[in-house]
Amino acid sequence: GENVEQHPSTLSVQEGDSAVIKCTYSDSASNYFPWYKQELGKRPQLIIDIRSNVGEKKDQRIAVTLNKTAKHFSLHITETQPEDSAVYFCAASKLSNYQLIWGAGTKLIIKP
Amino acid sequence: DVKVTQSSRYLVKRTGEKVFLECVQDMDHENMFWYRQDPGLGLRLIYFSYDVKMKEKGDIPEGYSVSREKKERFSLILESASTNQTSMYLCASSSPGGGANEKLFFGSGTQLSVL
Repeated sequence: GENVEQHPSTLSVQEGDSAVIKCTYSDSASNYFPWYKQELGKRPQLIIDIRSNVGEKKDQRIAVTLNKTAKHFSLHITETQPEDSAVYFCAASKLSNYQLIWGAGTKLIIKP
Repeated sequence: DVKVTQSSRYLVKRTGEKVFLECVQDMDHENMFWYRQDPGLGLRLIYFSYDVKMKEKGDIPEGYSVSREKKERFSLILESASTNQTSMYLCASSSPGGGANEKLFFGSGTQLSVL
């Protein structure tokens, strides 16, 4: 079955710098890759997702890139701000499937 | 805004007790999910339901059961709570407009402690 590995587990960056979180997946049939953000004490919320028919998707300061050959996808956050501090989860799935397979999460710390 | 409401934010129960966790969504979503969240393990799917009275096992169904008698309500039941079920439980729902696992809307979670 699918397995998703997420790195790093903790990432500390200076405010204004960029942050990159990487996930690798095992099932080449996976075609849907969402990213969720969970602020401390709050519910996870979808921030961006990508389907396998595109290689990159952007939404203001966040972007996701997908490399199907290498089976990895990454979240890029530019010009980081204090409100970006949170735990970020990646996941992978087939769209036809009910089950998302989640990474273990990355705690992003933005240093002032 | 989609609202997914979990009945309790914090719950403390004793080993062997039967525990009910309730989840209600107000957006007429067909799909509902129960996840368990543990540090370093991400989210793990316990059960999901794609329609009233329909349920499917996820990755870790042992020790749990579910009930979906109405479309808006999905209940998680711990038949006999054990200490290894101490965890954060998250309910989610999604619309079948895209893929069933697209755009999950989560509840605020129930932190369950089993003593």
